Amino acid sequence: DQQVKQNSPSLSVQEGRISILNCDYTNSMFDYFLWYKKYPAEGPTFLISISSIKDKNEDGRFTVFLNKSAKHLSLHIVPSQPGDSAVYFCAARSNTGFQKLVFGTGTRLLVSP
Amino acid sequence: KAGVTQTPRYLIKTRGQQVTLSCSPISGHRSVSWYQQTPGQGLQFLFEYFSETQRNKGNFPGRFSGRQFSNSRSEMNVSTLELGDSALYLCASSLAAGTSYNEQFFGPGTRLTVL
Repeated sequence: DQQVKQNSPSLSVQEGRISILNCDYTNSMFDYFLWYKKYPAEGPTFLISISSIKDKNEDGRFTVFLNKSAKHLSLHIVPSQPGDSAVYFCAARSNTGFQKLVFGTGTRLLVSP
Repeated sequence: KAGVTQTPRYLIKTRGQQVTLSCSPISGHRSVSWYQQTPGQGLQFLFEYFSETQRNKGNFPGRFSGRQFSNSRSEMNVSTLELGDSALYLCASSLAAGTSYNEQFFGPGTRLTVL
């Protein structure tokens, strides 16, 4: 039962353009959502998060949007840079789950010069 | 401040053997969570330890177990290894003093290969 889904395994974008990564979830108990970035041979690193009481959070080039009615969130990267090339994981936390995160399967982003 | 460290980084075992992986959290962090990453499955939650107590567990068979020591270091053990246990095992630490979420910091992982 995949409670967090990232339906696009990969995404290719040109440098300077916008990258939009999408994530859908099914569990209404999720109250906190995060995006992690992962390079090969490294652990995931935290990128940005959003609480379920908000619909947008921005940090520099990264913005996360949350649509609770659609159970959908997205990560926008503007402008995209070659160094952003990595696997991006969407994750969610239930308000009863302590530190447990439920992850999506990841989207590999390739930003070409 | 040192990050999360995991040892060993790489491990090769054969079916039926058992393995122990170690995780040292960031100094001052009391929560340690373990995740399994396999191709196409993303990261799957194994368990979380806080102050030497397991307070959450994922849907893995009993062959997967863990523990946490008084210095917050954690170990996970997999007994009777199966081919499907080949994966990257990631450890994450956080302050997690209460029930609200605290940012988790991941280690580089241990790559386990079962032959």
